[in-house]
Amino acid sequence: NAGVTQTPKFRVLKTGQSMTLLCAQDMNHEYMYWYRQDPGMGLRLIHYSVGEGTTAKGEVPDGYNVSRLKKQNFLLGLESAAPSQTSVYFCASSDRSRGYTFGSGTRLTVV
Amino acid sequence: AQSVTQPDIHITVSEGASLELRCNYSYGATPYLFWYVQSPGQGLQLLLKYFSGDTLVQGIKGFEAEFKRSQSSFNLRKPSVHWSDAAEYFCAVGVTGTASKLTFGTGTRLQVTL
Repeated sequence: NAGVTQTPKFRVLKTGQSMTLLCAQDMNHEYMYWYRQDPGMGLRLIHYSVGEGTTAKGEVPDGYNVSRLKKQNFLLGLESAAPSQTSVYFCASSDRSRGYTFGSGTRLTVV
Repeated sequence: AQSVTQPDIHITVSEGASLELRCNYSYGATPYLFWYVQSPGQGLQLLLKYFSGDTLVQGIKGFEAEFKRSQSSFNLRKPSVHWSDAAEYFCAVGVTGTASKLTFGTGTRLQVTL
């Protein structure tokens, strides 16, 4: 049982470049989330989705876009990367308040 | 909006000693409460959760937590710590009707000395 899979695991971008982070879950969960983790700040919600074709903004959505075209996938896009987006990104999925299942994270560095 | 405070950034305990990690939340009604553990370079793993009912919750790896409404707390405890428990621990709160969004505390890093 793979759970939540994130790709890539590591990436280095130059300022202004774009990229997409992919999250895939095989648990048929309705809800999916993207968080970023920064030292001393815990995890902050970027965007989330309550079902296929729906997305919503979280606490820190600026500079990011998301799409959920298929129930099992949740994509996070950076259109023009900035150094402030250097972080570890976590995807999670949930079956209605029963606790999250997290992916192993993507470490992104923007230089 | 709900919030979570973990007042201890870093805690060091000796192997075999007892452990208590503090978590305080702010929310007007009864929230859903969670504790997660994160080992270096890994994702977060659910230790335990509280939704309702018995206020003492048992989790994996010998951890337990007690919900105290009067103190708005959900402290994590373990009677005897093992070296493998060294990790970062996050408390989180969720509320109903919010698409199960969780708000996380800033974490407590646990160091275990031999």
